[in-house]
Amino acid sequence: EAGVAQSPRYKIIEKRQSVAFWCNPISGHATLYWYQQILGQGPKLLIQFQNNGVVDDSQLPKDRFSAERLKGVDSTLKIQPAKLEDSAVYLCASSSQTSLAKNIQYFGAGTRLSVL
Amino acid sequence: ILNVEQSPQSLHVQEGDSTNFTCSFPSSNFYALHWYRWETAKSPEALFVMTLNGDEKKKGRISATLNTKEGYSYLYIKGSQPEDSATYLCALIKAAGNKLTFGGGTRVLVKP
Repeated sequence: EAGVAQSPRYKIIEKRQSVAFWCNPISGHATLYWYQQILGQGPKLLIQFQNNGVVDDSQLPKDRFSAERLKGVDSTLKIQPAKLEDSAVYLCASSSQTSLAKNIQYFGAGTRLSVL
Repeated sequence: ILNVEQSPQSLHVQEGDSTNFTCSFPSSNFYALHWYRWETAKSPEALFVMTLNGDEKKKGRISATLNTKEGYSYLYIKGSQPEDSATYLCALIKAAGNKLTFGGGTRVLVKP
C-alpha cells in the first residue's frame, strides 16, 4: 500500500513570496490533516478535512494560509505572502474511518520550507 | 490549551547504553497517548498507542509505560544503536476521533 505522498520535499523562498504544497493521502482515506512543525516544537494541526469538507481550521492563520481538498482526495496548502516565521516542516497525514476511530494517522515525509 | 511536555529536548547516548525520556500531560480528560519516531527526512512512524493506566508496551529494544493518574509516560531504549537516532514525539488525545496534541519531542543522537 502506498503511503502519504508530499511534494516538494524542500522549498526555499523569499519573504512575501507565495508557495504551495501538495499532498496525496493513502487511497481511500477520507480524513486528511495538515500540520506545521517549527524547529524545536511539536507538530501543530493547521487544518483537518473530512472528504472535501473542513472539520477544524481553528489554528490556520487565515490571513495568509489557505487549503483545499476539492475532490476529497489530494490537497494543497498555500501560503501567500510568506513570512520568516513560516519556516517549518509542513506535514500531511491521513486516516481511514477505522484508523480515525483509534486516532491513528499516517504521515508523509513532509515539506521543509525555508523563508529567507 | 493542552500542555504536553517532553524532556529532555535532546540527549546524546553512547552506543550500547540504555536511556529513557519523559512525556508529561494533563491527567484530566485522558483518552490515549501515542508515541512516534521521526527520523530525519522520513515520515513520523507510530511506535505505540497507549490507553490504560499501567500500560506497558514493547517493540524490540524500545518500550513505554503509562501513568494516567499522574500524567506521564516514559519511553525506554535498551542498548541504543545508531539507527535509534531520531526525534521521539508523544501525542495526547482527549477523546475518540479527537485531534492529536503533540509534545515538542526528544531528539536522540546515538554515538558509535
